[in-house]
Amino acid sequence: KAGVTQTPRYLIKTRGQQVTLSCSPISGHRSVSWYQQTPGQGLQFLFEYFSETQRNKGNFPGRFSGRQFSNSRSEMNVSTLELGDSALYLCASSLAGQEAQPQHFGDGTRLSIL
Amino acid sequence: DAKTTQPPSMDCAEGRAANLPCNHSTISGNEYVYWYRQIHSQGPQYIIHGLKNNETNEMASLIITEDRKSSTLILPHATLRDTAVYYCIVRVRGSQGNLIFGKGTKLSVKP
Repeated sequence: KAGVTQTPRYLIKTRGQQVTLSCSPISGHRSVSWYQQTPGQGLQFLFEYFSETQRNKGNFPGRFSGRQFSNSRSEMNVSTLELGDSALYLCASSLAGQEAQPQHFGDGTRLSIL
Repeated sequence: DAKTTQPPSMDCAEGRAANLPCNHSTISGNEYVYWYRQIHSQGPQYIIHGLKNNETNEMASLIITEDRKSSTLILPHATLRDTAVYYCIVRVRGSQGNLIFGKGTKLSVKP
């Protein structure tokens, strides 16, 4: 069974640009969550989508947004990029609606802002 | 979700058992204990989870104390490839959404 796939693996952007990252969950998984990982702040939750609806959101500015498609694939977008947005962005999927099901992570997209 | 406390680092000799402790003294009756690990440059990998009984799978064993205030992850025969940061996370039963990651324990397996 294929795992969570994130594309691209690496990305370089400049300040002020915007970026879109993609995540394909494990087949059958309907919940997709996004996390940001930086050396200073560690792993922090961005948002979670289920059935194309955002149902949980972390403490990040509105420049960070996401969406989920009917096939459960998800994208996240960051607008007006800042140097501090340089990070590893991780996507995780899980079987929604089933108690205690763990989240499974992809290997992330490493975003560097110049 | 309850807070967890883990030692920042541990060493283990290759081939020996690695025992990683986690304190979660404020855990509620409806909270599960999850363990993940993250090898450099990869995403976190799910290892195991449990509520109150000890659990074992092909990767590890999870021992939860009777009062549920602490747990230990056991890697029975550590290899160099088990060198990683290990995270202990407590999460409400049935909850969706976010996992709250602490700083974890950096396990170094040495030859």
